[in-house]
Amino acid sequence: GNSVTQMEGPVTLSEEAFLTINCTYTATGYPSLFWYVQYPGEGLQLLLKATKADDKGSNKGFEATYRKETTSFHLEKGSVQVSDSAVYFCALPYNNNDMRFGAGTRLTVKP
Amino acid sequence: DTGVSQDPRHKITKRGQNVTFRCDPISEHNRLYWYRQTLGQGPEFLTYFQNEAQLEKSRLLSDRFSAERPKGSFSTLEIQRTEQGDSAMYLCASSALAGGTYEQYFGPGTRLTVT
Repeated sequence: GNSVTQMEGPVTLSEEAFLTINCTYTATGYPSLFWYVQYPGEGLQLLLKATKADDKGSNKGFEATYRKETTSFHLEKGSVQVSDSAVYFCALPYNNNDMRFGAGTRLTVKP
Repeated sequence: DTGVSQDPRHKITKRGQNVTFRCDPISEHNRLYWYRQTLGQGPEFLTYFQNEAQLEKSRLLSDRFSAERPKGSFSTLEIQRTEQGDSAMYLCASSALAGGTYEQYFGPGTRLTVT
């Protein structure tokens, strides 16, 4: 079945550093791919998505490109801020009924 | 619309007690999902409803767990005879078909602690 593998954390960066969080997927066909973010004490929020190969999802300075050649959907941001500190989850639909999530990557940005 | 809401936000109970959680989805969403999230892990699917019909249940949903969505709007998740292993964050999400994808919107979760 469909699944995602996410780079292990935690990741600690200084403010304005470049961020990459790796995500690779295994899937039948080409399902939509998602990144969710979870701030402390809160539920998950959709950060960005891509619905087909070569699509680039973007939001709040974050980007991820759906690459079928490498079965990847890596999350990037050029200059992180302290407010970006959160847990980031890569996800994809399992059978169009539920989402399968990676284990999450905790990002801490220090001033 | 204010998004998906869940109640209570926190629940502490003694082992063996029953607990019930409520989820109110985004009003125009016909699908509603329950997930469980343990510390340091991603959410794990429990069950989902399309309108009032419960269409899929994960094997994680033991006989002690039951979920309902009687009128196709809010949903409840009940855990009977709670065990310490039930301690987790219980997340609700709702969705509607948009652009060929069911994009899920999550509530803030109910954190359950079983002592």
